[in-house]
Amino acid sequence: AQSVTQLGSHVSVSEGALVLLRCNYSSSVPPYLFWYVQYPNQGLQLLLKYTSAATLVKGINGFEAEFKKSETSFHLTKPSAHMSDAAEYFCAVSGGSQGNLIFGKGTKLSVKP
Amino acid sequence: NAGVMQNPRHLVRRRGQEARLRCSPMKGHSHVYWYRQLPEEGLKFMVYLQKENIIDESGMPKERFSAEFPKEGPSILRIQQVVRGDSAAYFCASSPAVGTPNTGELFFGEGSRLTVL
Repeated sequence: AQSVTQLGSHVSVSEGALVLLRCNYSSSVPPYLFWYVQYPNQGLQLLLKYTSAATLVKGINGFEAEFKKSETSFHLTKPSAHMSDAAEYFCAVSGGSQGNLIFGKGTKLSVKP
Repeated sequence: NAGVMQNPRHLVRRRGQEARLRCSPMKGHSHVYWYRQLPEEGLKFMVYLQKENIIDESGMPKERFSAEFPKEGPSILRIQQVVRGDSAAYFCASSPAVGTPNTGELFFGEGSRLTVL
């Protein structure tokens, strides 16, 4: 069975600082991993996905994530936070025989001026 | 280039009433998923449907909840005799096809927010 753990339900950074959102997964099969972003009162938008190609994945808005099998991690980073990055971020895993994704509980990112 | 369309965006019901939430997938997509989002709990998978078939309903409550995706028309999530605990945001997502395992992303609608008074 697949599962996702996101460490830290709230993260606050200053504008221009590094963003690091943590995600650890558990999967009985080779995982496919996703990061989604949700702005207030909106749906989820895909940031990036890992599907067994390069372990460093680049996404939209300057975000990237690195798949580390030995650590079962898929942490999301951005070198310099912008005010517009304030949102909730969800890590998700698939890999089962069905199509659904399993989501973590989310991390709310606040960006201080 | 319409995305996943959900309606209504907001729905208010009194306890005991029925709620119907609709979802039209993206053009060309034949797979629909419903998720429920409660504060501080992330998204919980409810059900996965293809046209006229329920593929996986392992996340659906055993009572009062049902879902369908008819040959024609949108997918519908139906909640009978709503209770206050049903208040949540319900998201629909679609995908064009499913590999084994699924390597593709899901495309989400903007959600339907149900409030039960």
